[in-house]
Amino acid sequence: NAGVTQTPKFQVLKTGQSMTLQCAQDMNHEYMSWYRQDPGMGLRLIHYSVGAGITDQGEVPNGYNVSRSTTEDFPLRLLSAAPSQTSVYFCASRGTDNYGYTFGSGTRLTVV
Amino acid sequence: GNSVTQMEGPVTLSEEAFLTINCTYTATGYPSLFWYVQYPGEGLQLLLKATKADDKGSNKGFEATYRKETTSFHLEKGSVQVSDSAVYFCALWTGSARQLTFGSGTQLTVLP
Repeated sequence: NAGVTQTPKFQVLKTGQSMTLQCAQDMNHEYMSWYRQDPGMGLRLIHYSVGAGITDQGEVPNGYNVSRSTTEDFPLRLLSAAPSQTSVYFCASRGTDNYGYTFGSGTRLTVV
Repeated sequence: GNSVTQMEGPVTLSEEAFLTINCTYTATGYPSLFWYVQYPGEGLQLLLKATKADDKGSNKGFEATYRKETTSFHLEKGSVQVSDSAVYFCALWTGSARQLTFGSGTQLTVLP
C-alpha cells in the first residue's frame, strides 16, 4: 500500500549511542518532514526537506542530522543519544498539491 | 511566525453529545488549514482541510469552517461516538514556511 513507512517501530538506546530512524515514501512526494511528539507539547518539527538534496532545520534540530539523497528516503540520524531525546518520532510527506501531509505510524524511542 | 492555538483538553463527553474544539491561528500570508486525528498508538490521519476563506471542510460527520475574519478553524460534530475518542490536532500550512505548524492537541474521550 502506498504511504509513509517508518522503521523501526520501537527502539531502546543507551546514552551516547547513535542510530538512524528510517523513513520512506512511495508517493513521489517532494516535501518530507520529521516531527517529535512529547506529552503536552504537540508535534515539533525537527528537520524538513522540500526536495532531493535540500534540507532545512525546524524548531528543534539540535542533536539530529538528516539527508535527502533520493525523493523516496529521508533518514533521521541521532548522533549521540540523550535521555531528552526519548520521544515518539513521526515522518511525514506531502506532494505539491494541497492535500496535506501523510504521516508514518511512528517510532517510539527510549534513551536510557 | 506562524502559530496555532488550540483549546486545552482533555475533553470528556457522553455519546451523542455535541462537540466543539476551538482553534485559532496566526499566519503570514494565506494559510491552508487542517484537522488531524490521532487514535491511540497510531500516527496522525488527515481528518479534513480548507484552503481558503469561507471554505468548509467535512469528513466522518466532522466539520470546520475557515474564518479569516476571526482567524479560526473550529472543529464541530453534532453527535459524537465512542469511536471518536482520540487526540485532535489543528494545523496550518503556508507556502512561505513550507511546513506544517501544529497546535498542542486536544484529547477527546467519549463515554458510552
